[in-house]
This record gives sequence, structure tokens and C-alpha cells, in this order.
Amino acid sequence: GQSLEQPSEVTAVEGAIVQINCTYQTSGFYGLSWYQQHDGGAPTFLSYNALDGLEETGRFSSFLSRSDSYGYLLLQELQMKDSASYFCAVTDSNYQLIWGAGTKLIIKP
Amino acid sequence: DTAVSQTPKYLVTQMGNDKSIKCEQNLGHDTMYWYKQDSKKFLKIMFSYNNKELIINETVPNRFSPKSPDKAHLNLHINSLELGDSAVYFCASSQGARVVNNEQFFGPGTRLTVL
Repeated sequence: GQSLEQPSEVTAVEGAIVQINCTYQTSGFYGLSWYQQHDGGAPTFLSYNALDGLEETGRFSSFLSRSDSYGYLLLQELQMKDSASYFCAVTDSNYQLIWGAGTKLIIKP
Repeated sequence: DTAVSQTPKYLVTQMGNDKSIKCEQNLGHDTMYWYKQDSKKFLKIMFSYNNKELIINETVPNRFSPKSPDKAHLNLHINSLELGDSAVYFCASSQGARVVNNEQFFGPGTRLTVL
């Protein structure tokens, strides 16, 4: 079967750095995406990695290691507005997006 | 200019009723989706349409029937509503069905409560 594993909850302090990990086991792999969802809101796209390495977009970075079936989302200089759920998702060989269960990021002042 | 819109935003209804949720996208995308998100936040794909044709039909009760009158619209009709149908339903769209970086754009969601 296809599965993605990510922690259910992560807690960090405002101004700190936090890493949310995602490991996957899917039938085929084109890329790893990350989405952010605030409480009461809709998921919004953050990043996509198709190749190994780190992609940086402002305070957020996303990393992929295809050989390890592993990726992570790195959030720097955490702000209270970053409190949200973060989902990793894999595009499989059928071009279908397979979703993780989401990680709730709690930020404390 | 709302990219993906859904109506209604909230829907409260009695068990056994039939209801519909409408979705429209103005992004010119070919592919649209319906997701169910339960109280534990798990996003479950229900259906996907590409250019009005059904391409993903996950295991959902046949009380759920999607309809796509054109590629900009994907509506969801639910018959004989049950308590377990209470959830947030999201519509989404993407550029195409066979696109590698298949970024999906989500509507605001419809919170369905079945009493």
C-alpha cells in the first residue's frame, strides 16, 4: 500500500527553527509537495521537490532525498502566524497526489 | 477574483436529507477534485474529474454523486445524509491530470453538519 508518515504534532518557540519530517512509501514517485492549512482555512501550496536537495523560498525551505524516501519542511524565524497544519504529499506514478495525515505546528511565544 | 469557489460555506441538515455542494474554478484548469476532511484533519480524495470525465473514484458510498457540467464546475450531490458524513468538503483544481508538479488550488471548504 501507499503511505506517508509525518509527526502528528510539533511544538516550537517563536523565532526558532523547526523541521517537519516526511517519509513515504508509494508506487512510483514524481515529487514531494508541502501544503499549509490554518485552522478553518483551506490547504495552500508551499513547495514542490522533484530532485534531491534543498529548495528555499523565503523563511521556508523544503528538502528531498529520493534514495531515502524522505523529505522535510524547514521553517525559520518562526512567527505566530505559522501556527497551522502542514501536509506532505507525493505525486505517484499515476500523477495522483497521495497525502500524509498532517503535522500540527504549535508555536509558543 | 476567487480562484476556486464553493457554495454553501456552511450546511446544517437532518439525517436522511439530500444536499448539494457547488464548486467553480476560474483558473482555466482541466482537473477538479473533491476531498473530505474529517475532524482529525485527514484529507481524503473522493473524486477527480479531468475535462468533465471521471478519472478517480475512491471508495465512497454511492450516496455521493459528482457531476461536472463543464470543466469549470464540479458539483457534489449527497443522498440520504448520515451522521458520519459530517465533515469539511473541499473542492480543488489543478492544471491537468498528468502534470508532475500537480499544484492543487483549494476552495474555502463547505462545513457539513448532519444532525
